[in-house]
Amino acid sequence: QVQLQESGPGLVKPSGTLSLTCAVSGDSISSSNWWNWVRQPPGKGLEWIGEIYHSGSTNYNPSLKSRVTISVDKSKNQFSLKLSSVTAADTAVYYCARGRNYDIDYWGQGTLVTVSS
Amino acid sequence: EIVLTQSPATLSLSPGERATLSCRASQSVSTYLAWYQQKPGRAPRLLIYDASNRATGIPARFSGRGSGTDFTLTISSLEPEDFAVYYCQQRSNWPELTFGGGTKVEIK
Repeated sequence: QVQLQESGPGLVKPSGTLSLTCAVSGDSISSSNWWNWVRQPPGKGLEWIGEIYHSGSTNYNPSLKSRVTISVDKSKNQFSLKLSSVTAADTAVYYCARGRNYDIDYWGQGTLVTVSS
Repeated sequence: EIVLTQSPATLSLSPGERATLSCRASQSVSTYLAWYQQKPGRAPRLLIYDASNRATGIPARFSGRGSGTDFTLTISSLEPEDFAVYYCQQRSNWPELTFGGGTKVEIK
């Protein structure tokens, strides 16, 4: 069974950098899947942030591209998200997830990140 | 960017009733459309992929149909555990990936 688990600070100061890591079990990060980040502001819908392949290739949401970096650590079977210059609008539950070609089949439980001083 | 519009925003139904949810794309997405179910405090769960294929373990009462710009998710007879928010998602113009705004199915 594929499992994903997000970890990282739950509170980030405005203008700072949000950093999260997703540990993957039950599948290899080097498999033929893309590894995604999706977020959901409180009470709102889902927003795709971006994804990475084990080769290091990345795709980002154009609306966030200038602030997002996704990286992979094959030795630890995990991948990470960095979002810079955060504001209150970046407060959300952040999910890591496994992507297939056209959809997302496994999701982590999500972690709430609040941007506040 | 392809925009997905879901309707209605809220659907009030009783257990045992049939639910019909709509997802309309701003341009053709062929059949590159998926549906997810999300319950409060939980991650989304994949229900339907490629417009009409049920994901592993999804009950037969869930069905999807459509192609191009108009898609439907049908729950043939609502069970108590089906009351949730449902999202559609497209990935026609790879790598762009977008979600619809969601439809909440609530108990009448």
